[in-house]
Amino acid sequence: DAGVIQSPRHEVTEMGQEVTLRCKPISGHDYLFWYRQTMMRGLELLIYFNNNVPIDDSGMPEDRFSAKMPNASFSTLKIQPSEPRDSAVYFCASSLLGGRGGETQYFGPGTRLLVL
Amino acid sequence: GQNIDQPTEMTATEGAIVQINCTYQTSGFNGLFWYQQHAGEAPTFLSYNVLDGLEEKGRFSSFLSRSKGYSYLLLKELQMKDSASYLCAVTNNAGNMLTFGGGTRLMVKP
Repeated sequence: DAGVIQSPRHEVTEMGQEVTLRCKPISGHDYLFWYRQTMMRGLELLIYFNNNVPIDDSGMPEDRFSAKMPNASFSTLKIQPSEPRDSAVYFCASSLLGGRGGETQYFGPGTRLLVL
Repeated sequence: GQNIDQPTEMTATEGAIVQINCTYQTSGFNGLFWYQQHAGEAPTFLSYNVLDGLEEKGRFSSFLSRSKGYSYLLLKELQMKDSASYLCAVTNNAGNMLTFGGGTRLMVKP
């Protein structure tokens, strides 16, 4: 079992550039979650999908952020244009039942983003 | 909304016992998770509580009091590898959205 796969693992970019983060959930998992982690704000849920459909995007900071899930095995989180305050670790997680009944979410290794 | 509080840092000695507290005030609640996160790594599942009481799992135990909005994680026979951040997370009514506390960074000393 490969687990949740994220790419790239590290990204350094300049302010104003477009950044695309990628995630492949565990096969068979119907739920996919995007989180952001910073020292100041901790681990925050940005958006989650169920069966490829965005269910709750209330955590998406602003219009510069967008997320898509074109099929069950792939999702992207895009930041355009990027700003220094977007620097963080972005985690993707997946689960079979969405966390109901005590089912855990499985986290990918994260993408460390630095915007200069 | 959700408000979750944990101590920022704790220090303990190898072989000892440590208790990490978590208090929460939420508009909806289904259950509470504890995750462990080593530096530079992803969070990994430790425990889940939905009913009041203590859940024991080896060296780790987790307690929940729903009426008090309170949980703790108990780590026994501490090992150096237990040095990590411990995240408390509360689920919404539907159980499918997690809100995380800021995490408690635990340092285990020889």
